[in-house]
Amino acid sequence: AQSVTQPDIHITVSEGASLELRCNYSYGATPYLFWYVQSPGQGLQLLLKYFSGDTLVQGIKGFEAEFKRSQSSFNLRKPSVHWSDAAEYFCAVARRYSTLTFGKGTMLLVSP
Amino acid sequence: NAGVTQTPKFRVLKTGQSMTLLCAQDMNHEYMYWYRQDPGMGLRLIHYSVGEGTTAKGEVPDGYNVSRLKKQNFLLGLESAAPSQTSVYFCASTEWGGKSSYNEQFFGPGTRLTVL
Repeated sequence: AQSVTQPDIHITVSEGASLELRCNYSYGATPYLFWYVQSPGQGLQLLLKYFSGDTLVQGIKGFEAEFKRSQSSFNLRKPSVHWSDAAEYFCAVARRYSTLTFGKGTMLLVSP
Repeated sequence: NAGVTQTPKFRVLKTGQSMTLLCAQDMNHEYMYWYRQDPGMGLRLIHYSVGEGTTAKGEVPDGYNVSRLKKQNFLLGLESAAPSQTSVYFCASTEWGGKSSYNEQFFGPGTRLTVL
């Protein structure tokens, strides 16, 4: 069965430091992968997506993610974190009819 | 263009009561979805619809029913609410791309439901 694992429940990063959030997937076919962000009390916003082609994907708000088939990973990165990036981040893999299987999320805390 | 809207934003029910959550989208999307979000569990798919008049079960369908009588609306019903259904419910939609497509979903702001 398809699944998505986000190994880190919480991550704390200092403002201005770099960030990497991990995502591993289990999927038989070519995966279609997404990262969503959720600010407190809000809905989900799409950061970026990978369908095919270039394995380094650029998204909004300065985020990028790299698809590595050999490692079954789709890690999210940002070179310099801002306090406004504090939120919960979800990795997801798309299935038939565009249904999504989500990871359990990683809560990002940004320290001053 | 409001995108995806959900009604109500908050609701408190007593065990055994029934209610309907309404999701509306103005993007002419074919596919619509209902998720529930619980702490430490991520989002889990309850039911979805691939077009007007169609519905299908997701990962956690028990205790819920849905209807898609109009293309722009997707209703989620709880016939007899239980405390285990206390959660935040999100609706989402996306455009049709055939069964092999994997388009991004657009999410509503959520409904926070508490069942006492």
